[in-house]
Amino acid sequence: AQSVAQPEDQVNVAEGNPLTVKCTYSVSGNPYLFWYVQYPNRGLQFLLKYITGDNLVKGSYGFEAEFNKSQTSFHLKKPSALVSDSALYFCAVRDPLADKLIFGTGTRLQVFP
Amino acid sequence: DARVTQTPRHKVTEMGQEVTMRCQPILGHNTVFWYRQTMMQGLELLAYFRNRAPLDDSGMPKDRFSAEMPDATLATLKIQPSEPRDSAVYFCASGLERAGSNEQFFGPGTRLTVL
Repeated sequence: AQSVAQPEDQVNVAEGNPLTVKCTYSVSGNPYLFWYVQYPNRGLQFLLKYITGDNLVKGSYGFEAEFNKSQTSFHLKKPSALVSDSALYFCAVRDPLADKLIFGTGTRLQVFP
Repeated sequence: DARVTQTPRHKVTEMGQEVTMRCQPILGHNTVFWYRQTMMQGLELLAYFRNRAPLDDSGMPKDRFSAEMPDATLATLKIQPSEPRDSAVYFCASGLERAGSNEQFFGPGTRLTVL
């Protein structure tokens, strides 16, 4: 069965430092992978996706993610964190047999001034 | 600026009452999803539609929940009767299914409180 795991419930980082939010996946076939962000009292917003091609995917707000097939990972990264990046981040994988996305449990990112 | 809209944004009701939540997907999108988010369970997929046909509602308690798409511009999620454990934020999302592209656009959610 398809699944994603976000091993960290929370990530704390100082403003200006690089950040990484981890995600690993388990899927049969080629993975379609996504990152979404949720700000307080808002719906999820799409950040970026990996379908095929370059392993480094660039997305909104300066975020990028690196697809690593051998490690079955799709970690979200940003070179320099902003306080405004503080939010809940979800990794997701597409179910290859259906339209639906399978979401991870979410990681709360806290960026301190 | 196309967006998914949901009404109401907030709903407080008493146990046993019927609750209807509405969603207007982005025009032209052919898939619609209903999710429920709670602190304990996280984000759960309740049901989804493609071209207005229900494809999967296995995440939904069948005895009290129902989801429909009366037309391409409206999706509804109904709870009857409601229970306190249904208190959650319910999100609708829509997307345009095409090969490799499953980006979903989420609405702002309906925050339901059942007393």
